[in-house]
Amino acid sequence: EVQLVESGGGLVQPGGSLRLSCAASGFTFSSYSMNWVRQAPGKGLEWVSYISSSSSTIYYADSVKGRFTISRDNAKNSLYLQMNSLRAEDTAVYYCARGIAVAGTHAFDIWGQGTMVTVSS
Amino acid sequence: SYVLTQPPSVSVAPGKTARITCGGNNIGSKSVHWYQQKPGQAPVLVIYYDSDRPSGIPERFSGSNSGNTATLTISRVEAGDEADYYCQVWDSSSDHHWVFGGGTKLTVL
Repeated sequence: EVQLVESGGGLVQPGGSLRLSCAASGFTFSSYSMNWVRQAPGKGLEWVSYISSSSSTIYYADSVKGRFTISRDNAKNSLYLQMNSLRAEDTAVYYCARGIAVAGTHAFDIWGQGTMVTVSS
Repeated sequence: SYVLTQPPSVSVAPGKTARITCGGNNIGSKSVHWYQQKPGQAPVLVIYYDSDRPSGIPERFSGSNSGNTATLTISRVEAGDEADYYCQVWDSSSDHHWVFGGGTKLTVL
């Protein structure tokens, strides 16, 4: 079964750090690009970051650039998101999502169940 | 940055057809993807590349894209289709960002 399982969420104080993980199974992880997408409570979806299959290409949303770092370990079938200098507005459910290349763009065809990050004092 | 505009809500009776729009400047030149999200669940891809359906998605779901509007059409709506729906595009013009619409709550009356 194709599956993504996030972990590492929790409560952190403003200015703190947290590292999220996403474990992939049921497919050849190293062949796919991956993404992080977040959803604040009661709000819509917000794309956070993208990493290509070989880690050669990385993109960030302006809202997290310079604070968040995406990485992956293809040998461990794992995706990561290092989040530093966290703010209250980073409070959200964070999803990892597999990217599929379609005519020069990417759709997100497999999503994890999400992990909640709460930034509060 | 590129902006996608969706109506906050759409209501439809069971068995009827629901149409959810996604507006954007010359969106017809981009590939649009649609996601369904039910309460407490992760999003599910229901349409990609404007009008293609992933395996397992019913034929009742279809998509179109032209000019400044993309549309997700759900035929013969069922109670189980009640969910939030999001459109998405890749904005290659501004630092390679993926953009989501604000989402549309589909209510089945």
